[in-house]
Amino acid sequence: NAGVTQTPKFQVLKTGQSMTLQCAQDMNHEYMSWYRQDPGMGLRLIHYSVGAGITDQGEVPNGYNVSRSTTEDFPLRLLSAAPSQTSVYFCASSYGGFSNQPQHFGDGTRLSIL
Amino acid sequence: LAKTTQPISMDSYEGQEVNITCSHNNIATNDYITWYQQFPSQGPRFIIQGYKTKVTNEVASLFIPADRKSSTLSLPRVSLSDTAVYYCLVGDKNTDKLIFGTGTRLQVFP
Repeated sequence: NAGVTQTPKFQVLKTGQSMTLQCAQDMNHEYMSWYRQDPGMGLRLIHYSVGAGITDQGEVPNGYNVSRSTTEDFPLRLLSAAPSQTSVYFCASSYGGFSNQPQHFGDGTRLSIL
Repeated sequence: LAKTTQPISMDSYEGQEVNITCSHNNIATNDYITWYQQFPSQGPRFIIQGYKTKVTNEVASLFIPADRKSSTLSLPRVSLSDTAVYYCLVGDKNTDKLIFGTGTRLQVFP
């Protein structure tokens, strides 16, 4: 099993460009989530999904869209990139509820917005 | 959102026991407390999880007092490879969202 796979690993964008960060898991997990990690601020939840077709907002959802058409994939879209979105983005999945099941994280996408 | 706070950093020597505390005053009633370890350029990795009292696995112990407003991760006999950032994760009872702690950077010296 590959676990949680994130692509790309690195990306540089110009302000105003759009892009999709990909996340795929092969563990048949129902729960998936996206976090951003900024220096000195730990990880903050952007959006999450409790199953195909179901998504909800986390702590910092503005500027990001998500969809969940399959159990395996949970892409994160930046509609119009801004320098404040420069960060490391992590995708995670878990078998059951986020609060009582371990989350499995990908290795991150490092995104720079110029 | 209520803060989940941890000491910024800790230093230790190989072979010592390390205790890292997380303060979570606003923890959701039914949520577990989970701890993760993160190395540079990697995603967080699950260490241990518990609801109350004490939990132990092959790498760590987790101590949770009766009021559940804090928790302590205990790493017995640390080695150089335990140098990493450690995060607690709890649910906030007001927002029903999961909140990561601020993270503790552990440096282990030989």
